[in-house]
Amino acid sequence: SQTIHQWPATLVQPVGSPLSLECTVEGTSNPNLYWYRQAAGRGLQLLFYSVGIGQISSEVPQNLSASRPQDRQFILSSKKLLLSDSGFYLCATTGGDYEQYFGPGTRLTVT
Amino acid sequence: GENVEQHPSTLSVQEGDSAVIKCTYSDSASNYFPWYKQELGKRPQLIIDIRSNVGEKKDQRIAVTLNKTAKHFSLHITETQPEDSAVYFCAGSSGTYKYIFGTGTRLKVLA
Repeated sequence: SQTIHQWPATLVQPVGSPLSLECTVEGTSNPNLYWYRQAAGRGLQLLFYSVGIGQISSEVPQNLSASRPQDRQFILSSKKLLLSDSGFYLCATTGGDYEQYFGPGTRLTVT
Repeated sequence: GENVEQHPSTLSVQEGDSAVIKCTYSDSASNYFPWYKQELGKRPQLIIDIRSNVGEKKDQRIAVTLNKTAKHFSLHITETQPEDSAVYFCAGSSGTYKYIFGTGTRLKVLA
């Protein structure tokens, strides 16, 4: 079965600072990978998804970017954080029958 | 565009009663409908799913029904318990890479 790792678990960053969140997946090869953001008390907003190395699709134009340098590694970045970037960032992958599984998440607070 | 509407946004039931959450989807190509449970501060967890070739699926106290003609599907929880209290999300997928999530239902089971 697949295991998703995310770090850090929590992060407090000032406005204007850079961001790098990492997600790695074990137990599968060539997975579909996703980044979601969940604002406090809200639903799941799809930010990026990737079907292979170097293949990134953006769902929401904003100050975030994603990269997939290795098959099972997905990175979310920002050059300058905004207050509105605060939230719970979830990495996800899909199983063999399209079921989607989430990682433990990173809780980001921008101050 | 593609959309999944979820109702109600909040639901309070007495312990032991049943709870029903409903979702409506717009994409006729959707063929996979998962339900997720998210406890406070944690990741969404897949609890049950249904595919378009099935009208109903049951797993102990939870069941999901699908009406393809009307484009809606529902989650049924019977004999609710306090530990069922959480936010529940429905989603639809056409078997491609994207999931469309509903906005969530906050279920409170009152002891």
